[in-house]
Amino acid sequence: QVQLQESGPGLVKPSQTLSLTCTVSGGSISSGSSYWNWIRQPAGKGLEWIGRIYTSDSTNYTPSLKSRVTMSLDTSTNQFSLRLSSVTAADTAVYYCARASPRYWFDSWGQGTLVTVSS
Amino acid sequence: NFMLTQPHSVSESPGKTITISCTRSSGSIASNYVQWYQQRPGSGPTTVIYDDDQRPSGVPDRFSGSIDSSSNSASLIISGLQTEDEADYYCQSYDSGNSDVVFGGGTKLTVV
Repeated sequence: QVQLQESGPGLVKPSQTLSLTCTVSGGSISSGSSYWNWIRQPAGKGLEWIGRIYTSDSTNYTPSLKSRVTMSLDTSTNQFSLRLSSVTAADTAVYYCARASPRYWFDSWGQGTLVTVSS
Repeated sequence: NFMLTQPHSVSESPGKTITISCTRSSGSIASNYVQWYQQRPGSGPTTVIYDDDQRPSGVPDRFSGSIDSSSNSASLIISGLQTEDEADYYCQSYDSGNSDVVFGGGTKLTVV
């Protein structure tokens, strides 16, 4: 059973870059047809997909965040990462990493990490 | 981009059956698979239905899913409601047109 765990700063200043890492255990990040995703959820609100990475040069980002998002993959550490630039208070949310099938079924989720954007 | 619309909240008594709808605003509901996630307070989402009507191992058969092309909607049906079913439920699909994942706004289920 694959497990995912998010890590990173819980507090980011406005206009700076949010950086999070997801560590995958119980399976290889470079195996099979798994896609590695980031999803966020502001307090009291619904889920928002941020994007996914398949290989180091294969990414898809949601159009509304595409200009500010970068995802990367590190097969040597079995981790993948999210960078979100020029953050504002609207980016305050619980951020989840998740594994998905090619048909976008998110079958494994991390526990989530709260990131607050505040000075 | 299409939207998935869910009722904001539903409520039913233990032992009863409830249906939560998820209506696609444009394009066919059958174009892309629909998933359903359960999220209990303070926890991350878990899958209860994937690929329209498939149940992951470990999910009780009280949970079932379907799609209806006539209403362009998907449904999550929970029978024999239990208090532990109280949670937020989200439907989710994929927009092939712009390679975007779409979540419904979520439905809060109360079992009283």
